[in-house]
Amino acid sequence: DIQMTQSPASLSASLEEIVTITCQASQDIGNYLSWYQQKPGKSPQLLIHSATSLADGVPSRFSGSRSGTQYSLKINRLQVEDTGIYYCLQHYSAPWTFGGGTKLELK
Amino acid sequence: EVQLVESGGSLVQPGGSLKLSCVASGFTFSNYWMDWVRQTPGKSLEWIGEINTDGSKTNYAPSIKDRFTISRDNAKSTLYLQMSNVKSDDTAIYYCTRLGGYFDYWGQGVMVTVSS
Repeated sequence: DIQMTQSPASLSASLEEIVTITCQASQDIGNYLSWYQQKPGKSPQLLIHSATSLADGVPSRFSGSRSGTQYSLKINRLQVEDTGIYYCLQHYSAPWTFGGGTKLELK
Repeated sequence: EVQLVESGGSLVQPGGSLKLSCVASGFTFSNYWMDWVRQTPGKSLEWIGEINTDGSKTNYAPSIKDRFTISRDNAKSTLYLQMSNVKSDDTAIYYCTRLGGYFDYWGQGVMVTVSS
């Protein structure tokens, strides 16, 4: 199985700050990586697909990047509504596997 | 508007069975692979399995293989998850998701609690 190591596990940041979350894949997964945001009591919502493509309706302050087998989600100018838990997912090879999640809070 | 609505969650005893349903609307259900994902309390997400567009092919996570069965009824735009011989570790919120290359839409989730 492909392992997705996500870091950090938790993060506290200030309004307007730039935030970066990373996922390290245990092997090459190409661009088959997506990012999700989950609010308390809600289901995950797609933010980024294909490593770098913004999902419909997602604010442009979110962006995704890739360097080899390391993938990053960047939030420019953090807003209050960006708090929640973020997950990465590899959909290159079954079983599809998620990262452990990053809990993002406001400082 | 794409909607996925799960139902069927409940309290079930260890070793028991349960069938979850997910009714889809707002898109042509028969054109998409569909998946089930679960989230254990306070923990991350775990992919359970998937089914192809006509229901002829399924893939499962090793952790649940041979205990869970995914099926679909395209005429009813409904996805199913038959859970058998459930264990306490199966306690989780179960989500149905649409596989559009990635999980582009999710249901609201349904809670399954396995306890005596």
